[in-house]
Amino acid sequence: QVQLVESGGGEVQPGRSLRLSCVVSGFTFSSYAMHWVRQAPGKGLEWVAVISYDGSNKYYVDSVKGRFTISRDNSKNTLYLEMNSLRAEDTAVYYCARDSLQLGGYLDYWGQGTLVTVSS
Amino acid sequence: DIQMTQSPSTLSASVGDRVTITCRASQSISSWLAWFQQKPGKAPKLLIYKASSLESGVPSRFSGSGSGTEFTLTISSLQPDDFATYYCQQYNSFWTFGQGTKVEIK
Repeated sequence: QVQLVESGGGEVQPGRSLRLSCVVSGFTFSSYAMHWVRQAPGKGLEWVAVISYDGSNKYYVDSVKGRFTISRDNSKNTLYLEMNSLRAEDTAVYYCARDSLQLGGYLDYWGQGTLVTVSS
Repeated sequence: DIQMTQSPSTLSASVGDRVTITCRASQSISSWLAWFQQKPGKAPKLLIYKASSLESGVPSRFSGSGSGTEFTLTISSLQPDDFATYYCQQYNSFWTFGQGTKVEIK
């Protein structure tokens, strides 16, 4: 069955960096785009970033452009989110999710999430 | 950017009630709309895609309709397991979520 497992979350000081990982199984990772979506405590869902199936296209929400980088290693079935210059407002549970297509579809499978807390 | 607006923000209902949640897009998104259910501490779960297509394994009491800028999610007979928060999301141009609708026990 399809599984997505995030890791790498934790507490970090403002201005520091963190890298999240999402290891997937149960499907051909290299055939699907992948997303990161976040949810601040008690708030709604916010789409963060997407990477196409082959890594050639990447898009970000304006609030993280220039600070976050999405990447993937298809040989390791792993999705990454490199987060730099972290701010208090980046505090959230971060979910990885599979796109139904190579890019531009709906999000059909989700991981359980990893909590990132930015605090001094 | 496309904005998504859900109404109501909170809905109080009883088991067996018919429930309707509305989602409006700031510009036409054709039928590129999905609906998700989320329970506390859990990941969102896909219910509906392409506005009205039921995801495999989702009970038939859930249905979606609409196109262009106005969409609805309907639960025909609310069950105890359905008390949750529901989100719409457009995928016509990038991806944007509505702010969510919490379905509470009346």
